[in-house]
Amino acid sequence: QITLKESGPTLVKPTQTLTLTCIYSGFSLSTSGVGVGWIRQPPGKALEWLALIYWDDDKRYSPSLRSRLTITKDTSKNQVVLTMTNMGPVDTAIYYCAHRHYFGEYDYWGQGMLVTVSS
Amino acid sequence: QAVLTQPASLSASPGASASLTCTLRSGINIDSYRIYWYQQRPGSPPQYLLRYKSDSDNQQGSGVPSRFSGSKDVSANAGILFISGLQSEDEADYYCVIWHNSAYVFGTGTKVTVL
Repeated sequence: QITLKESGPTLVKPTQTLTLTCIYSGFSLSTSGVGVGWIRQPPGKALEWLALIYWDDDKRYSPSLRSRLTITKDTSKNQVVLTMTNMGPVDTAIYYCAHRHYFGEYDYWGQGMLVTVSS
Repeated sequence: QAVLTQPASLSASPGASASLTCTLRSGINIDSYRIYWYQQRPGSPPQYLLRYKSDSDNQQGSGVPSRFSGSKDVSANAGILFISGLQSEDEADYYCVIWHNSAYVFGTGTKVTVL
């Protein structure tokens, strides 16, 4: 059974760096084709894709946020970490991590966590 | 102009059918893309429904009822999610997604109301 869970601060101040951790179980991030991605959703708005890390450590980022994002993995701890620099109020959102299947779909999602950016 | 545009809302009666469209921006040819569809009920994370590229390259998500199906309207440059026999539990937001220029792109989402 695949599960993912996001953790991190629920409140960050403007200009701070956000660090989110996704702890996963039920699959190996060393398996060919597998990945873990991050997606966010501002309150009442649409989903927005942020980043993806593959089993082979290849990484992809949203073009509009590339300069602010870093994604890493630690397979020994079953963790994927996303950092986002220079946070602002518009970054207030629910942040999800999700398992990326070989054929590209995100077939398992974490419950998400709300991150609020406010001074 | 957004890469993927979806109607903001759609209303239909229980038992009716609904076609949700996902239109690609002009200049992006839908023919070569897999389209992924997700359902998001209020207060819950998205759930994967299905992917569709062609009649020979498509897949239903695990446990997803067969009344959800995908297709394309090449003339309209759009992907379509078809829901037959609408049920109250289908009331949700629906998103289409593609992999474009080495990045995932989410559509603007359609809110389906079952009246």
